[in-house]
Amino acid sequence: NAGVTQTPKFQVLKTGQSMTLQCAQDMNHEYMSWYRQDPGMGLRLIHYSVGAGITDQGEVPNGYNVSRSTTEDFPLRLLSAAPSQTSVYFCASSYSRGDHEQYFGPGTRLTVT
Amino acid sequence: AQSVTQPDIHITVSEGASLELRCNYSYGATPYLFWYVQSPGQGLQLLLKYFSGDTLVQGIKGFEAEFKRSQSSFNLRKPSVHWSDAAEYFCAVTNDYKLSFGAGTTVTVRA
Repeated sequence: NAGVTQTPKFQVLKTGQSMTLQCAQDMNHEYMSWYRQDPGMGLRLIHYSVGAGITDQGEVPNGYNVSRSTTEDFPLRLLSAAPSQTSVYFCASSYSRGDHEQYFGPGTRLTVT
Repeated sequence: AQSVTQPDIHITVSEGASLELRCNYSYGATPYLFWYVQSPGQGLQLLLKYFSGDTLVQGIKGFEAEFKRSQSSFNLRKPSVHWSDAAEYFCAVTNDYKLSFGAGTTVTVRA
């Protein structure tokens, strides 16, 4: 298994541009989520999904959209990038609600200028 | 709402010395608790987890953690630190699939 994969690893955007961060998992996990990591703040939940077709907001959802059309994929869309969205983004997945261990991808480092 | 506090932002420890990282949580019911480690430029790796049962949990890389309900704590320990343990450590709590993370503790290991 490849586990949780994320692309790209690095990205630089200009303010106002849009882009999609890709996340895929090959473990048949029901639950997927997106976090952002900022210095001194740990990881904060952006959006999550409990299964295909079902998504919900986390702690810091503004400026981001998600969709879950398949079990494997959970892309994160930045609608109009802002410098405040400069961060490291992690995607995670877990098998079920009873198995709370989450598996993390390697991260995407995003810079918005 | 659940929350996690890691009181120590940065800890420096000598190689071979013991290490203890503090974690306090706030949660109304029985929490599920985790410790993750992040090496520079890397993703997060699970060190150990507590769901129920024995309050002393063994993890990978020689780490252990003790759950103390009366103190709302889940401190991480290692008896003898190696230079490769230099990293950032995160405590996390969940009641379902939404993890709440602490701000992290950076560990520096000196020779």
